[in-house]
Amino acid sequence: DQQVKQNSPSLSVQEGRISILNCDYTNSMFDYFLWYKKYPAEGPTFLISISSIKDKNEDGRFTVFLNKSAKHLSLHIVPSQPGDSAVYFCAASARAGGTSYGKLTFGQGTILTVHP
Amino acid sequence: DGGITQSPKYLFRKEGQNVTLSCEQNLNHDAMYWYRQDPGQGLRLIYYSQIVNDFQKGDIAEGYSVSREKKESFPLTVTSAQKNPTAFYLCASGQGAVETQYFGPGTRLLVL
Repeated sequence: DQQVKQNSPSLSVQEGRISILNCDYTNSMFDYFLWYKKYPAEGPTFLISISSIKDKNEDGRFTVFLNKSAKHLSLHIVPSQPGDSAVYFCAASARAGGTSYGKLTFGQGTILTVHP
Repeated sequence: DGGITQSPKYLFRKEGQNVTLSCEQNLNHDAMYWYRQDPGQGLRLIYYSQIVNDFQKGDIAEGYSVSREKKESFPLTVTSAQKNPTAFYLCASGQGAVETQYFGPGTRLLVL
């Protein structure tokens, strides 16, 4: 049962254009969402997060949008750079009784390739 | 400088052998996690520990064991009961109720 899904295995964009990575979830208890970036043979690095009380969070070239009614989030990268080429994972967390146990559920990942 | 270290980078296991993957952190985080990554799949949680001397099974704990005797260390043993151990193993740590987790560089386990 895949509770967090990234339906696009790969995405290719031109340098300077916008990259949009999508993520869907099924568990309505999820209320905190994160994006991680991963290079081959390395551990993921945290990019940006969003709480369910917000619908948008921006950090430099990265913006995450959350549509709770559709159980969908997206990561926008503008402008895209060749160094952004990596695998991007979305992850979700459910808080119970106000206490987060820190457990994350990850999507399958999307390989982003930014061409010069 | 602070971070998470995993060793070795590559590990080879023979049939019927137990192997132990090391994970150490000096971030003073209470919680530590082990994940497994397979090609085309996301990270799947094997075990996690929220505090010293306590740990919980994740989604795919069968064939694995852990210990948490020290705050900074969370070793993972891949036992002979794990029939498909070839994967990339990632250790992470986090601080309490804050969900952001910080990952080590990973260990690739291969079966001879």
